[in-house]
Amino acid sequence: EVQLVQSGAEVKKPGESLKISCKGSGYSFTSYYIGWVRQMPGKGLEWMGIIYPGDSDTRYSPSSHGQVTVSADKSINTAYLQWSSLKASDTAIYYCALSMYGGDGPFDYWGQGTLVTVSS
Amino acid sequence: EIVLTQSPGTLSLSPGERGTLSCRASQNVASNYLAWYQQKPGQAPRLLIFGASSRATGIPDRFSGSGSGTDFTLTISRLEPEDFALYYCQQYGYSPLTFGGGTKVEIK
Repeated sequence: EVQLVQSGAEVKKPGESLKISCKGSGYSFTSYYIGWVRQMPGKGLEWMGIIYPGDSDTRYSPSSHGQVTVSADKSINTAYLQWSSLKASDTAIYYCALSMYGGDGPFDYWGQGTLVTVSS
Repeated sequence: EIVLTQSPGTLSLSPGERGTLSCRASQNVASNYLAWYQQKPGQAPRLLIFGASSRATGIPDRFSGSGSGTDFTLTISRLEPEDFALYYCQQYGYSPLTFGGGTKVEIK
């Protein structure tokens, strides 16, 4: 069974760093793209970026580029989304999602989401 | 970047009725790489339709997708109680991938 299991909720202060994770199982981790999607409170879905764990090819949305880092450790089948300096506007649910149709979409498997709260 | 505009913002219908949701792209979506997702409160999105008209695994046949180029439609033939939710379209033909703003299907 294909599963994406994300790390737990986080509460951070502005300026702090954070790295959340997404562990894949039940499929060949290096063969499919994993993306990250943001959902701010009460808002819609926003595609942030994507990585191909096989060769670490990574792409970002214009609004996420330079704000976050997407990475993967194929030795432990885990993808990451990282911030070096959080802002209050980073408060959101972050989903990782997997595309097994080939290429970087659509997303047919989703993690359960990680709630990140940034508040002073 | 391709902007996707969904309409209406909210659709008020009764169980058993037909629902028609629209997604319009600011430019042609390559190879009809257009997907539809359903999201219920507190849950991750679920893929319904990909390639504009192909149902994902396990999706009931009351859900159908159509369209090409810049205009796409998701049709729910007869609304079941579990279909009242948020629906998003997404294009995955060009980077950055983009989502529409969503349509809420609510019980009338």
